Amino acid sequence: EILLTQSPGTLSLSPGERATLSCRASQTVTSNYLAWYQQTPGQAPRVLIYGASIRATGIPDRFSGSGSGTDFTLTISRLEPEDFAVYYCQHYVNSRWTFGHGTKVEIK
Amino acid sequence: EVQLVESGGGLVQPGGSLTLSCAASGFSFRNYWMGWVRQAPGAGPEWLANINQEESHSFYADSVKGRFTISRDNAKSSLFLQMHNVEADDTAVYFCARWSAALDYWGRGILVTVSS
Repeated sequence: EILLTQSPGTLSLSPGERATLSCRASQTVTSNYLAWYQQTPGQAPRVLIYGASIRATGIPDRFSGSGSGTDFTLTISRLEPEDFAVYYCQHYVNSRWTFGHGTKVEIK
Repeated sequence: EVQLVESGGGLVQPGGSLTLSCAASGFSFRNYWMGWVRQAPGAGPEWLANINQEESHSFYADSVKGRFTISRDNAKSSLFLQMHNVEADDTAVYFCARWSAALDYWGRGILVTVSS
């Protein structure tokens, strides 16, 4: 079973700052099936990035994904007020979906 | 507009059973893998089960294998999750979701509470 470890657990930043979120897999994973989601309170997760680096439809270009192998990164270039939320990475392999435990981006 | 709407949640006693439904609209349901994900209070999402387009293959997380069954009715654009022998740890919001290289559409979720 592949485990996804996200860091940091919480990121305290101000609007306009850059956010860098990490997702590390316990073994090499296929980039094609690495995704990032954003979740705000009371809402379902929303896909931001899939295939490690492809922005989903309607996602602003301040969101970018990168990485390969075991290390993946979600970057938010300039935080907007609506970006303060919890972010999850997720992987698909052998018909199973795995989620990381999330990084909370909070207002400093 | 793609919509996924869950129903069937509520309060159930430990050891009891419950069936969740997910009504899909706005897309060709029969062409997509579908699945269920839950989220316990204060926790991250947990994948439970998924099913392929023809209902010939389904997969389960270890935590629910043997207790939950996923199924679908393509003619009615509906997804189901039969839950048996539920436990307190099954208390969560349950989401149905569509898979297309990622979980690109989610329902709003339905709360299941397991308590006596």
